[in-house]
Amino acid sequence: AQSVAQPEDQVNVAEGNPLTVKCTYSVSGNPYLFWYVQYPNRGLQFLLKYITGDNLVKGSYGFEAEFNKSQTSFHLKKPSALVSDSALYFCAVRDMTTDSWGKLQFGAGTQVVVTP
Amino acid sequence: GAVVSQHPSRVICKSGTSVKIECRSLDFQATTMFWYRQFPKQSLMLMATSNEGSKATYEQGVEKDKFLINHASLTLSTLTVTSAHPEDSSFYICSARAGGPDTQYFGPGTRLTVL
Repeated sequence: AQSVAQPEDQVNVAEGNPLTVKCTYSVSGNPYLFWYVQYPNRGLQFLLKYITGDNLVKGSYGFEAEFNKSQTSFHLKKPSALVSDSALYFCAVRDMTTDSWGKLQFGAGTQVVVTP
Repeated sequence: GAVVSQHPSRVICKSGTSVKIECRSLDFQATTMFWYRQFPKQSLMLMATSNEGSKATYEQGVEKDKFLINHASLTLSTLTVTSAHPEDSSFYICSARAGGPDTQYFGPGTRLTVL
């Protein structure tokens, strides 16, 4: 079984300040981890993924995430948030050991609100 | 980048009617497509996995006779909500797998409202 937890329903940050969106995961095998962003009434846009290699992954729009195996976390970060970063962010995991189709398990989502 | 389209983007129908939603991969072939539904301010719930040329695999609790999925070609999957009821109103999102299983591209979603 696989699961993802996003402990914060909403994150508020002032423009220019660092942004962190938390994610922890649970898989029986080795995880593939993803971050997606969703704007109102739109589909999901891919931000970044961790498959293997460096624990720090850089993605689109200045976002990055750090894979921490011991803490089973994959927090999303951005050094300086923009108002346009306000959106719904989803963390997702795929258990590469047990799934060959690419099925993703999504977290509940975290609403990010960046104020001017 | 790879593009996935959905049609229609928004549909309103009367209770008891059937609605078909199309999901197309525009510039790549997708052997596997996924269908999700999303309630307001909630996460995506995987409904089914659709493989080209074979029957879809439904997640537990999803009625296969109500949500008919057809993946007739490598670029098209359809979801038909049969005998729709107001509780079927939701945002339906498809995704298409391109290449390896770790790469999915999402469609823009279809807002279904059943009156």
